[in-house]
Amino acid sequence: SAVISQKPSRDICQRGTSLTIQCQVDSQVTMMFWYRQQPGQSLTLIATANQGSEATYESGFVIDKFPISRPNLTFSTLTVSNMSPEDSSIYLCSALRAGNTIYFGEGSWLTVV
Amino acid sequence: TQLLEQSPQFLSIQEGENLTVYCNSSSVFSSLQWYRQEPGEGPVLLVTVVTGGEVKKLKRLTFQFGDARKDSSLHITAAQPGDTGLYLCAGAQGAQKLVFGQGTRLTINP
Repeated sequence: SAVISQKPSRDICQRGTSLTIQCQVDSQVTMMFWYRQQPGQSLTLIATANQGSEATYESGFVIDKFPISRPNLTFSTLTVSNMSPEDSSIYLCSALRAGNTIYFGEGSWLTVV
Repeated sequence: TQLLEQSPQFLSIQEGENLTVYCNSSSVFSSLQWYRQEPGEGPVLLVTVVTGGEVKKLKRLTFQFGDARKDSSLHITAAQPGDTGLYLCAGAQGAQKLVFGQGTRLTINP
């Protein structure tokens, strides 16, 4: 398994502000991903975080709203910009490990007021 | 259009009963993973199935991958209250991007 740590684990933010979520993996991984889980819903992929280059975004998600960095093979950040109450969600970092298995962090629970 | 149809979405049964959760798609997946998520936590991987027709057992849980790698099932025998949680199937496509089903919210009543 993998140890994936996310910070913050939980936050309450004012609308119009931005929040950066950090994800640290305990060893080098080839691929990292960011997912969103809205209340009572399943998981939706936001983007693939590419090391050393721009992230690859899924339909409905754009870089201006969700800028992502991945400076090395163990770390990534997701920023939720200009937040509105609709952005209240769990944001989950995940990493691809050996055996083509994807592991998740415990999530960052974001409430926008 | 939901790529992975998971059913049932809600299930509440008594302790000791058996249950099956289904995950169906018209798409072929290179692998399929089952996760369980408890309130306040991220999804925890239960199993990965890769080969068509593959069956894996994890104590009272039995996972099966369809022969055509388009569907999967999770069977729980003699369910216990500790099995309560959100069960998610996820199919891998391409560069290991996961497509998730809607989830099955399972409640086991003592």
